Amino acid sequence: LAKTTQPISMDSYEGQEVNITCSHNNIATNDYITWYQQFPSQGPRFIIQGYKTKVTNEVASLFIPADRKSSTLSLPRVSLSDTAVYYCLVGDLRDNYGQNFVFGPGTRLSVLP
Amino acid sequence: EAQVTQNPRYLITVTGKKLTVTCSQNMNHEYMSWYRQDPGLGLRQIYYSMNVEVTDKGDVPEGYKVSRKEKRNFPLILESPSPNQTSLYFCASSQRGEGYGQPQHFGDGTRLSIL
Repeated sequence: LAKTTQPISMDSYEGQEVNITCSHNNIATNDYITWYQQFPSQGPRFIIQGYKTKVTNEVASLFIPADRKSSTLSLPRVSLSDTAVYYCLVGDLRDNYGQNFVFGPGTRLSVLP
Repeated sequence: EAQVTQNPRYLITVTGKKLTVTCSQNMNHEYMSWYRQDPGLGLRQIYYSMNVEVTDKGDVPEGYKVSRKEKRNFPLILESPSPNQTSLYFCASSQRGEGYGQPQHFGDGTRLSIL
């Protein structure tokens, strides 16, 4: 299983860029890296997904180095509403059939005014 | 509207009384999964299903059962609930598995309290 490690918490101020790094040393060849955002009492919400190099959408960017042993979620110019827990998820293909996904412990991002 | 619906949203019950948490998705997704979330432990996968009649254990399957008789439904069954199953539960679905590049859609959660 590809376990992940993230910082437990981070603080930032409005308007700053925030980078959250996730380590996944045992990532397998078929694994994708996915980031989710979760607000209190709500289900996680998909932010971005990638396999290698860089992926960008309207919400965030995801940087994945060549060895794929880590990834960095980049949130440009955060606002107070970005205060949430961010999860790094690495898909684990088991026996080319079943899939068992492991969420990291999550990073609690607090955006301050 | 594409959604994953869980019921009930809240439940307080007693040890040993069988309960079922229903999960239904309207996106024709093949993959469905159950997670529990506990303070300090993040989200842990209980069971998942790749398709109808195909289920497999996640990280914390003990004390739980699931079934996938129809594509849209994936109920979570606690045959004899115990206090250590008090938690916040999430159901999720996606088109095939996430390893194929499709993100999971999560329900709004079910908060279970087992006394």
